[in-house]
Amino acid sequence: DAGVIQSPRHEVTEMGQEVTLRCKLISGHNSLFWYRQTMMRGLELLIYFNNNVPIDDSGMPEDRFSAKMPNASFSTLKIQPSEPRDSAVYFCASSSQGHNEKLFFGSGTQLSVL
Amino acid sequence: GESVGLHLPTLSVQEGDNSIINCAYSNSASDYFIWYKQESGKGPQFIIDIRSNMDKRQGQRVTVLLNKTVKHLSLQIAATQPGDSAVYFCAEKPSIYNQGGKLIFGQGTELSVKP
Repeated sequence: DAGVIQSPRHEVTEMGQEVTLRCKLISGHNSLFWYRQTMMRGLELLIYFNNNVPIDDSGMPEDRFSAKMPNASFSTLKIQPSEPRDSAVYFCASSSQGHNEKLFFGSGTQLSVL
Repeated sequence: GESVGLHLPTLSVQEGDNSIINCAYSNSASDYFIWYKQESGKGPQFIIDIRSNMDKRQGQRVTVLLNKTVKHLSLQIAATQPGDSAVYFCAEKPSIYNQGGKLIFGQGTELSVKP
């Protein structure tokens, strides 16, 4: 089975531009998590969804960040406008009903905002 | 000003030796704990988990120990191999997060295996 698939793997953009990160869940999983990883702050949970519904978005830094699940298998994380301090690796993870503590992570998107 | 990166704790072991990676967790109400391995350029990969009603769990070459009295978790790797070189994260799930698997991650420990 394919794991969690994220795209793009690398994104380099200029300050002020819109950035969209994409994630495809593992088939059959119903929970979706967006994490951000930096050297300074480690792995931080931004938002998570259960059955397409956002459950906790308290980790979203500010209104420039938004996340959606247009269907049960796909999610986007959008940053508009982007800033240099948003530079980080963004991970998407999914989990399945009944085993929803064990997260399966994608390979991440390395974002650099210049 | 200039930003300073967080310096991860590092454990260096000889190939074939056993490794012990320690983790102190923060929430006495956490009921689930998990260890992840992250290799360079990759996402965290599940190693082993344990619930709070247990104090030890074994997997293939790995053992997790949980001491709830002092809020301490450890990961033991037997016969460490060069392929075990990675950053290891512990994570906890506070019991209030019953819906969904909201995990809180530690800062990580870098394991370096010398051939």
